[in-house]
Formats: sequence, C-alpha cells, structure tokens
Amino acid sequence: DGGITQSPKYLFRKEGQNVTLSCEQNLNHDAMYWYRQDPGQGLRLIYYSQIVNDFQKGDIAEGYSVSREKKESFPLTVTSAQKNPTAFYLCASSVDRGEQPQHFGDGTRLSIL
Amino acid sequence: KQEVTQIPAALSVPEGENLVLNCSFTDSAIYNLQWFRQDPGKGLTSLLLIQSSQREQTSGRLNASLDKSSGRSTLYIAASQPGDSATYLCAVIASGGSYIPTFGRGTSLIVHP
Repeated sequence: DGGITQSPKYLFRKEGQNVTLSCEQNLNHDAMYWYRQDPGQGLRLIYYSQIVNDFQKGDIAEGYSVSREKKESFPLTVTSAQKNPTAFYLCASSVDRGEQPQHFGDGTRLSIL
Repeated sequence: KQEVTQIPAALSVPEGENLVLNCSFTDSAIYNLQWFRQDPGKGLTSLLLIQSSQREQTSGRLNASLDKSSGRSTLYIAASQPGDSATYLCAVIASGGSYIPTFGRGTSLIVHP
C-alpha cells in the first residue's frame, strides 16, 4: 500500500543537539511538506518542497533545515537554534503543489530531555 | 493573509445526533477547501475536498458545503457515532498565491454512547 512513513514515532532531544526526523513516501508525489502542531493549535508550515533539489521556507522555518535529494525522502533537522522544539511534527505529500488532497504520515512527537 | 477559524473548538454530543461544524475564512479568493479528520496522536486523513467552483461534496454520512461570498464552510455529520470522535480540521488554499493550505485549529468532537 502507498503511503507516508515517519520515523521515529517519539524522539527526545538534549540541549545543544541537532536531531533529524525521517519522512519517506512511496506515492510518487512531487510535493512534500513539514508541519508543526502544538496543542490546541492548527498546523503551521515549516518547509515545503515542490520537486527534488528544491525547497522553500514556510511560516516558521527558523531553527529547522531540510533536504530533498530524492523524490521519496524529505528529512527535517531540528537544530539547536530551535529553542522550543517540543511539538508534534507531521509530514505530508501531494501529487503536486495544491492540486490534490494532501496525504499525511502518523507524525513524530519531539520532546526535550 | 488568510485566516481560518473553526467554531466550536470542542463539542460533546450523544450518539445519533446530527452535527454541524463550522469553518470561516477571511479571504474569499480560494482555490479549494478541504476537511480533515485527526485521531489522537495520528496524522490527518482527508475527508472531503471542495473546489472553488463547487457548492458541496458528500461522502457517506458527511456533507460539506462552501459559500465563498460569506467566507464559510460547514461540515454536516449525520447520525453521529462514537467512532466519529476525533478532531476535525478545515484547510483553505488561496488562489493566486503559493497554493499552500492554511489550517484552522480544529473542532474536537466527542460522541458518547
């Protein structure tokens, strides 16, 4: 079955540490997205990528970085510059930007040790 | 900038009731509007997608309507069941922009037996 796989499900970060969240899709979708969700909040866009080797900042990109070296993979790195990283992170994809319903992974919950 | 508001924030009803969830948006120049369901600790599942040229979409017991001129959409759930308990989010894609959806904060629904 096609879908989006996020790993790990739970992640803990120490002070000053960078951590990377994995997102893999086998839907052959061009566009991929990273969102942050805080309790009682809507989803806020961190980064998005329309095509391999291209990505754009979203509303809250500071303290995060991404890469898109392969169509199926869009990893997110939470750097030490992100002072409040505790949140639920969701990866999504669509056939192309804005054209089709977005498909979501099951999320990664990141906490600070 | 597009803003999306969902009312009510939370709703608790007995099984069998018909429900209406509301979504309002500030910019009526939209490309499409989508309703999602999110179960606790999970990603989002697309329920209904309404293109800007459409007035409503139906899937089973769900019916979503769109009134662009008033900046509103409603999600109607008929004969609610405990399995409908989840958070329902509305997302709007504005036309002529980046085609990135703006999400509301969601309505948390509990249907009790």
